[in-house]
Amino acid sequence: QVQLVQSGAEVKKPGASVKVSCKASGYTFIDYEISWVRQAPGQGLEWMGWINTENGDAKYGQSLHDRLTLTTDTSTRTAHMELRGLRFDDTAIYFCARVRGYAGYDGGWFDPWGQGTLVTVSP
Amino acid sequence: EIVLTQSPGTLSLSPGKSGTLSCRASQTVDSNFLAWYQHKPGQAPRLLIYGTSSRATDIPDRFRGSGSGTDFILTIARLEPEDVAVYYCQYYVDSVWTFGQGTKVEIK
Repeated sequence: QVQLVQSGAEVKKPGASVKVSCKASGYTFIDYEISWVRQAPGQGLEWMGWINTENGDAKYGQSLHDRLTLTTDTSTRTAHMELRGLRFDDTAIYFCARVRGYAGYDGGWFDPWGQGTLVTVSP
Repeated sequence: EIVLTQSPGTLSLSPGKSGTLSCRASQTVDSNFLAWYQHKPGQAPRLLIYGTSSRATDIPDRFRGSGSGTDFILTIARLEPEDVAVYYCQYYVDSVWTFGQGTKVEIK
């Protein structure tokens, strides 16, 4: 079945970087983009960015674009999310999700999602 | 930038009853790119509805999406205890996704 499995929880100090991985299985990896979403404690879902898994072209949301890098490794069917200059308010659960949509059109909806990776920023 | 506003913040329903969740966009949107998700604590969000009214795989027909323009609705019929969750609407346009702030559904 289609599945996205994310790397484990991380604890980082302010100013550090974190890299979260998202390994895909059950479908042709390069046929679908991957998007990243986070949820801070007690908050809603915040879209972060997305990446074309075939050519590596990435687009970022306004709030994180200067600290966020999305990459993919087609040989391992894995997408990566790196966030630099961590701040306390980056403490959140980070999700990857496969982007599905209409043939010939960009964008769409997210299905399925990874299980989430908790990133804690703590002194 | 499109803003999605969901209401109510919390919806309390008795088991077996029906309820409606609202998602209002700050401007007219393409209904093909309006989706709904169910998010339970400790779990990954789950796609319920895409393209305003199409149910995702294995989603029971108790969940129904509708709407157009700026106003969209998720209707939950015959509420079951397993439906307790936060529900989010989402919209895509021009390489950007936006989520509403969510509606929490609880059992009365």
